[in-house]
Amino acid sequence: DIVMTQTPLSSPVTLGQPASISCRSSQSLVHSDGNTYLSWLQQRPGQPPRLLVERISNRFSGVPDRFSGSGAGTDFTLKISRVEAEDVGVYYCMQATQFPRTFGQGTKLEIK
Amino acid sequence: EVQLVESGGVVVQPGGSLRLSCAASGFTLDDYAMHWVRQAPGKGLEWVSLINWHGGGTYYADSVKGRFTISRDNSKNSLYLQMNSLRAEDTALYYCARGDYRGSGGHADYWGQGTLVTVSS
Repeated sequence: DIVMTQTPLSSPVTLGQPASISCRSSQSLVHSDGNTYLSWLQQRPGQPPRLLVERISNRFSGVPDRFSGSGAGTDFTLKISRVEAEDVGVYYCMQATQFPRTFGQGTKLEIK
Repeated sequence: EVQLVESGGVVVQPGGSLRLSCAASGFTLDDYAMHWVRQAPGKGLEWVSLINWHGGGTYYADSVKGRFTISRDNSKNSLYLQMNSLRAEDTALYYCARGDYRGSGGHADYWGQGTLVTVSS
């Protein structure tokens, strides 16, 4: 199975400041079809997960442009350019290149 | 508007069985891969199972293989998860999530609110 490792596990951030979350996979996420199936999801307290970004950097419909994804191969990053209060929650990376699909452990974003 | 509504979660004894349902609306279930993902209380997300858009392929996490069966009824726009030989460690909030269009679950874009399964004597 592909192991997804996120850092940090907790990230206290000041409102208006940037935040960055890293996700590393135990093997390359490049699929034989040429795509890299790495997604980022946000889970606000008491809510189901919400897709933010798919295939490394494609923002999903309705996601603010302060969220951006980057990376390649085994190393990926989610950046929030200016953190807002509504961004509090847990962020997960997920790989869908290989079965079983796997998630990172989650990174808790909180406001300082 | 895409909506997914899970149901069927209850308290069940170890060794028991349960069938979860996920009613889809706002899109044609036929055209999408569908996931089940679970979250134990206070824990992270764990992928459970996927069924391809055409229903020809089903995939499972090792932790549920041989005990759980994913299926779909496109005429009812519904997804199911048959859960047998339940264990305490299956206790979780179970989400259904839509995968990619005519794909193999390259992402999970819409999620239901979840249904709670508790395995306890």
